[in-house]
Formats: sequence, structure tokens, C-alpha cells
Amino acid sequence: DAKTTQPNSMESNEEEPVHLPCNHSTISGTDYIHWYRQLPSQGPEYVIHGLTSNVNNRMASLAIAEDRKSSTLILHRATLRDAAVYYCILRDQGGGSNYKLTFGKGTLLTVNP
Amino acid sequence: DTGVSQDPRHKITKRGQNVTFRCDPISEHNRLYWYRQTLGQGPEFLTYFQNEAQLEKSRLLSDRFSAERPKGSFSTLEIQRTEQGDSAMYLCASNSFGYNEQFFGPGTRLTVL
Repeated sequence: DAKTTQPNSMESNEEEPVHLPCNHSTISGTDYIHWYRQLPSQGPEYVIHGLTSNVNNRMASLAIAEDRKSSTLILHRATLRDAAVYYCILRDQGGGSNYKLTFGKGTLLTVNP
Repeated sequence: DTGVSQDPRHKITKRGQNVTFRCDPISEHNRLYWYRQTLGQGPEFLTYFQNEAQLEKSRLLSDRFSAERPKGSFSTLEIQRTEQGDSAMYLCASNSFGYNEQFFGPGTRLTVL
């Protein structure tokens, strides 16, 4: 799987928007961009995924650059419960290993009250 | 359905002992995954089952590790002759074929003294 680069940590204030960046300059045409998050003492949790177009769901929005070499996870109003490690993951939907997730170190998001 | 469950949640053992962990996936999920997570790192893929067939094992899974999913439902991960380097969180996830999202359990934290 292609590699992703994320900041080690970010800080936000409660009820403010948060933009979590991810660089994936070697992304291939069949790579989907997935985001998971891991709250303290829990297993990872799916957040959102996309291929080319921006995506929205109840948890977050995913903005994908036109050249697909970067993406941004947007939390519209951060809450204390959003404090977690956020992982940006590329999954090749066309390859033979498209079943497993390859995690990096992720971004530790701290939300201040 | 209560999600993916893992048992035990915590295990402390002495070096050289054998340990076994259990994972109960979401019912009707035919794919089951094991990951390992050490402190400060993202989860690393260990192995994957489709129904009862183990289809891939990571090189991280030494011959001291064995995983089974005998009836295509729950799975067990056994570590023989544990070493201090085996101390980690062992995560289980499940999903169905063709489904993007993986659902993770809370993990089993292993400490080898």
C-alpha cells in the first residue's frame, strides 16, 4: 500500500472546526482514502472513505485534492469525545491485498475545553 | 448485535507461558482479521480469515503464533512460549466480503513479565 504522511499531533478547541491533513503523493488510481480513529483504550473506528469526490457523513467530511495527492478530514465542530488518534490509510481496491489495513502512526488530536 | 468482542481484555503472563485470546466477530461477518499494536504505533496486520480459511499470515506472525477459526465464527490466537517482545494490544476486526469498513473489537492487552 502507498504511504501516507500525517502530522504527529494537532490541537483544537471545543466546538471549533478541525482540519486534519494527510499527504499521499504516491497514491495510485485504484487507491481509496480511508480514515479511522482510535479513542483511548479502544479499537480503531471507521470514520469515512473516498476515491475522488468529497464525501460527507454524520461523523465528518473528507476533502480530496484534485490531484489526489492530499486529503483533509474535517470535523465540523470538535467535541471532547473527538480526542483520538486519527489514521489516514490508502487501500488498493483493485489489488489482491485490498482486505487489510496498513496503519501509520496517525495524528493525535487534542481537544481543549 | 453488540459488535466485535474479545476475551480477555487484559492478560498478564510470565515469559515462556502460553496464552490464548478469543475474538467473537459480528455475526454473519465472513472476514476476520487480527492486528497487533505496540505503544505509540498504529496497528499492524497479523492474519486474516475468510470463513474458516486462513488466507494470509504476516511475516510478523512467527511460528510461535497460531490462529484458528474452526467453524467460521469465533477465532482464537495462541502465542506459545511468550517473550517480552510479545507485549502489545491484540486487536480483532471483522467485516463481510466487499464491505469497506472493518469493525474492531476493544482488544486484548498482553503484558509479558
